[in-house]
Amino acid sequence: EVQLVESGGGLVQPGRSLKLSCAASGFTFSNYYMAWVRQAPKKGLEWVATISTSGSRTYYPDSVKGRFTISRDNAKSSLYLQMNSLKSEDTATYYCARHQGSSYFDYWGQGVMVTVSS
Amino acid sequence: EIVLTQSPTTMAASPGEKVTLTCRASSSVSYMHWYQQKSGASPKLWIYDTSNRASGVPNRFSGSGSGTSYSLTISSMETEDAATYYCQQWSSNPLTFGSGTKLEIK
Repeated sequence: EVQLVESGGGLVQPGRSLKLSCAASGFTFSNYYMAWVRQAPKKGLEWVATISTSGSRTYYPDSVKGRFTISRDNAKSSLYLQMNSLKSEDTATYYCARHQGSSYFDYWGQGVMVTVSS
Repeated sequence: EIVLTQSPTTMAASPGEKVTLTCRASSSVSYMHWYQQKSGASPKLWIYDTSNRASGVPNRFSGSGSGTSYSLTISSMETEDAATYYCQQWSSNPLTFGSGTKLEIK
């Protein structure tokens, strides 16, 4: 059974940093692109980052480019999201998701809440 | 950036009613994908590559479309189908989602 379990969320002050983790199991992690998707309270879904199987290629929307860094450790079947210079608009539930065909997301984690507030 | 516009924003349907949700793209896309999200839960893949049902999705759901116009259809609404549905594309960067259609049971 595919499982994605996020951790590392919490309350953080604006301008500070936070690192999210996602532990994957039930599939060969190194064979899949992985991603982070977020959802602000009572809002829609927003793609945050994608990483290739080896980690050599990463993709971001302009809203987080230069502030967020996605990475992975295939030996540990783990995905990470380093978030720097956090803003109040980064407040959201962050989901770890598995890419399929480098296009859509076929499995999602349960999500982890990040609140950016002073 | 390709903007995905979903309509309607909210709708209510009676059990047994046929429902069609629409997703229009600001530029042509190759495929559209759909997700179902119930309150307090993670999104679930529902329809991929425009017309393929994800594992476990009832066959009353279907997807269709091409170019800039796509739709998700429920042939006969059931109470368990009440949820928010999002469309998504990655034919071009950045990957984008529609703003969602909230489907309620009448």
